[in-house]
Amino acid sequence: DTGVSQDPRHKITKRGQNVTFRCDPISEHNRLYWYRQTLGQGPEFLTYFQNEAQLEKSRLLSDRFSAERPKGSFSTLEIQRTEQGDSAMYLCASSPKVRGYTFGSGTRLTVV
Amino acid sequence: DQQVKQNSPSLSVQEGRISILNCDYTNSMFDYFLWYKKYPAEGPTFLISISSIKDKNEDGRFTVFLNKSAKHLSLHIVPSQPGDSAVYFCAASARGGSQGNLIFGKGTKLSVKP
Repeated sequence: DTGVSQDPRHKITKRGQNVTFRCDPISEHNRLYWYRQTLGQGPEFLTYFQNEAQLEKSRLLSDRFSAERPKGSFSTLEIQRTEQGDSAMYLCASSPKVRGYTFGSGTRLTVV
Repeated sequence: DQQVKQNSPSLSVQEGRISILNCDYTNSMFDYFLWYKKYPAEGPTFLISISSIKDKNEDGRFTVFLNKSAKHLSLHIVPSQPGDSAVYFCAASARGGSQGNLIFGKGTKLSVKP
């Protein structure tokens, strides 16, 4: 296991289309997080799973966003009816029961 | 309202000298602080952390200092190396860092010149 894996690395989509990103965490990590990073900003928290339960959601996660983590393994983040303001780097991170986030390399979304 | 502030967008230092990156926070409930390093097109990489019960934590060339009364922390890199050139993010957590979200600053871009 080489770390947190995110797919795709880059996604260009037209405004109004739906997109889905996948994150595969480190296998023994039961906690999984999604963050978004825009230019000139630090990562901003979107949502958090412990196993398959979604325990926390940010106000940034509008109704167009949905995240799932079936069976407590990989996670998907879907954005419906994309807008130009959704263009950002979407980062996934996982952690074990003790402290220590490991981030993936992110998915860069460009909405045109 | 930014709870974690990194007021210097960039810092340039000479190789071999000390790099000092600063971070201020406003939320007194924060009890765990972390520094991450980020290269372009990669995710942030954990560097070092400190709990609010300590005022210093050291790991090799990296030392983090915490001043709770001033709500200020700093990352010292000694000696700085060209490979340290990256964006450094300060992050904080209010629940011991073991669960829940981290609040990040906007980052400081460090350039270490040979």
